[in-house]
Amino acid sequence: DGGITQSPKYLFRKEGQNVTLSCEQNLNHDAMYWYRQDPGQGLRLIYYSQIVNDFQKGDIAEGYSVSREKKESFPLTVTSAQKNPTAFYLCASNSPTEGRANYGYTFGSGTRLTVV
Amino acid sequence: DQQVKQNSPSLSVQEGRISILNCDYTNSMFDYFLWYKKYPAEGPTFLISISSIKDKNEDGRFTVFLNKSAKHLSLHIVPSQPGDSAVYFCAASVGTGKLIFGQGTTLQVKP
Repeated sequence: DGGITQSPKYLFRKEGQNVTLSCEQNLNHDAMYWYRQDPGQGLRLIYYSQIVNDFQKGDIAEGYSVSREKKESFPLTVTSAQKNPTAFYLCASNSPTEGRANYGYTFGSGTRLTVV
Repeated sequence: DQQVKQNSPSLSVQEGRISILNCDYTNSMFDYFLWYKKYPAEGPTFLISISSIKDKNEDGRFTVFLNKSAKHLSLHIVPSQPGDSAVYFCAASVGTGKLIFGQGTTLQVKP
């Protein structure tokens, strides 16, 4: 079955450490996205990539970095510069170039990151 | 600047009754709207969508209404079931495929 896989499901980070969240999709989707969910704030866009080797900052990119070396993969690194990294992180993908009917995202199951 | 707003953080309804979740937007360039449902510690799942050229779309118990003049959309769930208890997000796109989400509304359906 096609889908989008995020790992790990739970991640603990010490102060000052960088951590990388994995996101892999086998849906052949062109675009991939990273969102962060905090209570009462909905889903906020961190970074997105519409094509391999290209990505753009979202609304809250500070303290995060990404890469898109392969179509299937879009890892997110949470750096020590991110002041409040504890949150639920969601990866998503779609193929908007195939028309509006394909705007809908497929989401991964999320990674809960906690700073200890 | 919040372009998509869900002003009701929570909603409680009785099983079998109608649930109405509301969403307002500010950007008249949005051309596609979607609703997602999310359970705790899981990714959101797609529910229903509507193009800006329509004013209603129905799928089983779920109906989405779009009022472009008021920049308002709503999701109706009839009849509501306890399994519908979740967080519901509305989302909108300006044609790039990138979605902008509202803050979410937590629906509780009581047996």
